[in-house]
Amino acid sequence: DAGVIQSPRHEVTEMGQEVTLRCKPISGHDYLFWYRQTMMRGLELLIYFNNNVPIDDSGMPEDRFSAKMPNASFSTLKIQPSEPRDSAVYFCASSPAWGGHRYEQYFGPGTRLTVT
Amino acid sequence: KNEVEQSPQNLTAQEGEFITINCSYSVGISALHWLQQHPGGGIVSLFMLSSGKKKHGRLIATINIQEKHSSLHITASHPRDSAVYICAVLGISNFGNEKLTFGTGTRLTIIP
Repeated sequence: DAGVIQSPRHEVTEMGQEVTLRCKPISGHDYLFWYRQTMMRGLELLIYFNNNVPIDDSGMPEDRFSAKMPNASFSTLKIQPSEPRDSAVYFCASSPAWGGHRYEQYFGPGTRLTVT
Repeated sequence: KNEVEQSPQNLTAQEGEFITINCSYSVGISALHWLQQHPGGGIVSLFMLSSGKKKHGRLIATINIQEKHSSLHITASHPRDSAVYICAVLGISNFGNEKLTFGTGTRLTIIP
């Protein structure tokens, strides 16, 4: 298996532009997680999906952020409009199941976003 | 105060030394994860544990639920162990679902 795939790996954009980050989870994994990592706050959960349905989006910073999972093999995280404080590394992770301590998450390589 | 505290934030040691990284948390949890983030940025899961101790090769993880504390040990450290080690606790969110809360990580550098 190729693992969790994210694209693009690097994105540089100007403030106010729309940014779309993409993720392909590992086939057969029912759970998909979006995380943001910054120097100041470390890793933070933004949202996660179970069988394409959003379960917990309490970590989404504000209405400028939205996430979708139209099918089991694809998810997007969109920022519109982007701001410099959104600069971070965004990770996608997937898991075959969730709950308790039985399952680990498999992380993608991340997308480094820079908003100027 | 963060729910998950790691110490030290940075650690530099000589090759071969015994390494200990600590994680303390303030909330009730069902499990604790240790993750490794490579210099290139990739993240891999090292351990998941809810009690006692686990060992993988030169890595050992322990947890004391009563004291809300976990440690990650590396024996016979090697330069390839240089990475950021992240502790994450599995707790219940305000929405009643399980979620991971992360520490800010410990940057380990092993000098040859």
